[in-house]
Amino acid sequence: AQSVTQPDIHITVSEGASLELRCNYSYGATPYLFWYVQSPGQGLQLLLKYFSGDTLVQGIKGFEAEFKRSQSSFNLRKPSVHWSDAAEYFCAVGNEKLTFGTGTRLTIIP
Amino acid sequence: EPEVTQTPSHQVTQMGQEVILRCVPISNHLYFYWYRQILGQKVEFLVSFYNNEISEKSEIFDDQFSVERPDGSNFTLKIRSTKLEDSAMYFCASSPIPTSVSYEQYFGPGTRLTVT
Repeated sequence: AQSVTQPDIHITVSEGASLELRCNYSYGATPYLFWYVQSPGQGLQLLLKYFSGDTLVQGIKGFEAEFKRSQSSFNLRKPSVHWSDAAEYFCAVGNEKLTFGTGTRLTIIP
Repeated sequence: EPEVTQTPSHQVTQMGQEVILRCVPISNHLYFYWYRQILGQKVEFLVSFYNNEISEKSEIFDDQFSVERPDGSNFTLKIRSTKLEDSAMYFCASSPIPTSVSYEQYFGPGTRLTVT
């Protein structure tokens, strides 16, 4: 069965600092991997996706993620966070049926 | 930029009542989905719909739930007899193409269902 683990429930970083959000997955075949962001009261916005090819994928809002098959990981990174990045971040795996992680809440300190 | 829309944004209903949640997927998309997120929990897949029939459903999607595409634009989720545990945020999503190349799903803003 497919599953996603986001080990960090809550992360706090200073504005301008770098960010890495962890995601580990379990999937029987080559995974389709996604990162979504959810701002308070909003829906889920797709940040980036990995299907195949280059293991470093670029997304919107300056985010990137690296697929590491050997570690079953798909960590999200941003070199310098902005106050507007404060939100809940969800990693997901699957194709037709997405399985989500429990999310990581990101707080930005001015 | 086209987006998935959902109505209403918040629905309050009494236990045992029927509710219909409505979604307008992105116009050229072919796959449609419903997910739910109980407060404080993860987003869970309910059902996918393609070519006017259910493609896949989860164990959560029991006989109390049904989906329909009544016309060329709307996609609805009906809960026949709501229970307290149906209280959640329900998200609609759509995908542009049906099969294995890409299941990039675009989500709507959600409908918060409160069952009292």
